[in-house]
Amino acid sequence: GAVVSQHPSRVICKSGTSVKIECRSLDFQATTMFWYRQFPKQSLMLMATSNEGSKATYEQGVEKDKFLINHASLTLSTLTVTSAHPEDSSFYICSAHRGGAPYEQYFGPGTRLTVT
Amino acid sequence: GENVEQHPSTLSVQEGDSAVIKCTYSDSASNYFPWYKQELGKRPQLIIDIRSNVGEKKDQRIAVTLNKTAKHFSLHITETQPEDSAVYFCAASDHQAGTALIFGKGTTLSVSS
Repeated sequence: GAVVSQHPSRVICKSGTSVKIECRSLDFQATTMFWYRQFPKQSLMLMATSNEGSKATYEQGVEKDKFLINHASLTLSTLTVTSAHPEDSSFYICSAHRGGAPYEQYFGPGTRLTVT
Repeated sequence: GENVEQHPSTLSVQEGDSAVIKCTYSDSASNYFPWYKQELGKRPQLIIDIRSNVGEKKDQRIAVTLNKTAKHFSLHITETQPEDSAVYFCAASDHQAGTALIFGKGTTLSVSS
């Protein structure tokens, strides 16, 4: 159990367009989901924390109007990169927190975004 | 907020040798310290974790130690094999409160045969 999926796995978009990435917990309810960004040869950097039914909390330096996060249900969170630019090209990974024992976080497989 | 420092950034060992990666954390509220192995383009894979109520945990060739007083924890890999070559990340969080994992910068381990 404890499977998290992400869709799409890879996406290429033109500069100025928007891209939506979905993160789903398939067999458990996730009270909290997290979004990370990972540039090549770097670590996972937390972008935002998303709780079901409430506004996401963004980390310092992350533009909330550019990276729109919606957590409409206990199994789905979406990240929309608006007006994408080449510097937004990165590996985006979500994780889902089960909210109860054993308090595990489970990672999605990631989405490779390339903005041309 | 939490800050996690990880050293070294690169580590090269001979097959069969031991490898040690060290991390320090800043937030005394953190109580969960996992280690992840990540292959290129893939999600991080949990290899071992430790909670703040224990000082050491071992799983076959992998062990983790935690010193809460000094706020540091370490990953020990014994009898390294070429397939251990990967990027390793440490992380810290207040797990029961459901806070996000904060990651160290990673260590690229290379095991040569």
